[in-house]
Amino acid sequence: QQQVKQSPQSLIVQKGGISIINCAYENTAFDYFPWYQQFPGKGPALLIAIRPDVSEKKEGRFTISFNKSAKQFSLHIMDSQPGDSATYFCAASKFLGAQKLVFGQGTRLTINP
Amino acid sequence: DAGVIQSPRHEVTEMGQEVTLRCKPISGHNSLFWYRQTMMRGLELLIYFNNNVPIDDSGMPEDRFSAKMPNASFSTLKIQPSEPRDSAVYFCASSLSLANEKLFFGSGTQLSVL
Repeated sequence: QQQVKQSPQSLIVQKGGISIINCAYENTAFDYFPWYQQFPGKGPALLIAIRPDVSEKKEGRFTISFNKSAKQFSLHIMDSQPGDSATYFCAASKFLGAQKLVFGQGTRLTINP
Repeated sequence: DAGVIQSPRHEVTEMGQEVTLRCKPISGHNSLFWYRQTMMRGLELLIYFNNNVPIDDSGMPEDRFSAKMPNASFSTLKIQPSEPRDSAVYFCASSLSLANEKLFFGSGTQLSVL
């Protein structure tokens, strides 16, 4: 059972453009929503996270938008750079901390120079 | 800090053989997690420990899989006997505590079972 659905599977964006990756969840008990970034040959690394008490969180060029009623959240990368090319995973958890994270299937992002 | 250290980086074995994957968490981290990553199923949590004690092993796929954490600086994931469908990248991750939201992943072990 896929509890977190992520789209698109792959995305190509021109340098300087905005990259947008979307996730939808089913379990209303989820209350922690992180995004992880993974480069080839490396493990995922926490990028940014949000809790449902806010609708948006911004860290540098990365922004999470959260829509509790629609059970959706998205990652926006502003001024996308070739160094942002990686696989991005959304995740969700209903437990304290990072316990029992449920991950989306991932989006392979390519930023063309 | 060197981060989470996993060994080996790559393991190729034949069906039926025993496989042992190793992990050294970040010093001072009390929680350790084992994940498996495949194209079909993505990232799946297998088991996690807190203070060396297994908390939840409901993600372990079969009895062929077992994990131990004999001390705060070492954990193993063992598959016996291994099968081709076990081929995947296995990640170990650690966090300061179960209440801490930041997971630090190792670089993974790429396992191929022929």
